[in-house]
Amino acid sequence: AQSVTQLDSQVPVFEEAPVELRCNYSSSVSVYLFWYVQYPNQGLQLLLKYLSGSTLVKGINGFEAEFNKSQTSFHLRKPSVHISDTAEYFCAVRYFPNFGNEKLTFGTGTRLTIIP
Amino acid sequence: KAGVTQTPRYLIKTRGQQVTLSCSPISGHRSVSWYQQTPGQGLQFLFEYFSETQRNKGNFPGRFSGRQFSNSRSEMNVSTLELGDSALYLCASRGGVLNTEAFFGQGTRLTVV
Repeated sequence: AQSVTQLDSQVPVFEEAPVELRCNYSSSVSVYLFWYVQYPNQGLQLLLKYLSGSTLVKGINGFEAEFNKSQTSFHLRKPSVHISDTAEYFCAVRYFPNFGNEKLTFGTGTRLTIIP
Repeated sequence: KAGVTQTPRYLIKTRGQQVTLSCSPISGHRSVSWYQQTPGQGLQFLFEYFSETQRNKGNFPGRFSGRQFSNSRSEMNVSTLELGDSALYLCASRGGVLNTEAFFGQGTRLTVV
């Protein structure tokens, strides 16, 4: 069964410092990988996605993530965070392809708090 | 292009009642999925509809049901509400079953008292 592990439930970071949010997944088949951000009382917004090709993917708001197949990881990074990055971040996995049984499996989320 | 619209945004219901939530996907999108988000269980998949047919279903009791109309709008229904059904219910739409990116609505916050 698919599972997604976000190793840190909360990450406090000083403003303008770099940050890495960790995500590991379990799967024996190819997957699509996603990072979503959720601001308070809002839905989920896609930050970036990995489908195939280059293992380093760039997303919105200066975020990037690196797919590591051997370590089944997809860590999210940003070189310099801002107050506005305070939010909850979710890693998600979709099997590829598994027609008829596709769904997003989410990690438990990482609450990123930026300290002024 | 309008995004995914969920109505209502907030809802308060009493135990034992039933509730219907609505989701209008992005124009042209034919796939609609529903998720439940709670502090304890996180984001859990409820079901997905494509062209009015349920394609996939999560591990929820039969009190949770859904449907999709010919215009791709979807509704989910929860009968005999329990306190534990209090959650944020999120709807996501995709262009098609092979389309990778899911766009989420702002959710409906259901409180059961």
